[in-house]
Amino acid sequence: EVQLVESGGGLVQPGGSLRLSCAASGFTFSSYEMNWVRQAPGKGLEWVSYISSSGSTIYYADSVKGRFTISRDNAKNSLYLQMNSLRAEDTAVYYCARGQFERPGYFDYWGQGTLVTVSS
Amino acid sequence: EIVLTQSPATLSLSPGERATLSCRASQSVSSYLAWYQQKPGQAPRLLIYDASNRATGIPARFSGSGSGTDFTLTISSLEPEDFAVYYCQQRSSWPPLWTFGQGTKVEIK
Repeated sequence: EVQLVESGGGLVQPGGSLRLSCAASGFTFSSYEMNWVRQAPGKGLEWVSYISSSGSTIYYADSVKGRFTISRDNAKNSLYLQMNSLRAEDTAVYYCARGQFERPGYFDYWGQGTLVTVSS
Repeated sequence: EIVLTQSPATLSLSPGERATLSCRASQSVSSYLAWYQQKPGQAPRLLIYDASNRATGIPARFSGSGSGTDFTLTISSLEPEDFAVYYCQQRSSWPPLWTFGQGTKVEIK
């Protein structure tokens, strides 16, 4: 069974940092492209970042470029999101989402999400 | 950047009725469009990809159609568990961006 489990969320002050993790199981993690998608309270979905299966290709949404860093450790079946210079508008539930194998532009499995709250 | 606009914002229907949800792209995305369902407190679930292909385990009452700029998600006969928010999504090749529509809430009338 495919499982994605996020962790690392919490309350952080504006300007602070946080590192999210996503532990993957039930599939060959190293073969799949991965993403982070977030959802502000009561709002819609916003794609945040993408990383290729090898980690060699990375993309970011303009809203987080220069502040967030995506990475992965295929030996540990884990995906990460380092978030620096956090702002109030970064408050959201952060989901890790797997790119569909044959059509990686779509997200076929999602974690349960971890809540990040940026507030003083 | 491609913008996806969903309509209506809210759809009030009764169980057993047919639901028709629309997603319009600001420029052609060919057939590269997906639909997701999200229930309160849950992660989104992939329903449809490539505009008309059902994802694994998705019931046949869900169908997708369209190409270019106009897409439709149809739920042929609403079950109680179908009342949720639905999002469309596309990925553009350049700039590499994944975008979602703002969502349509299907609520019980």
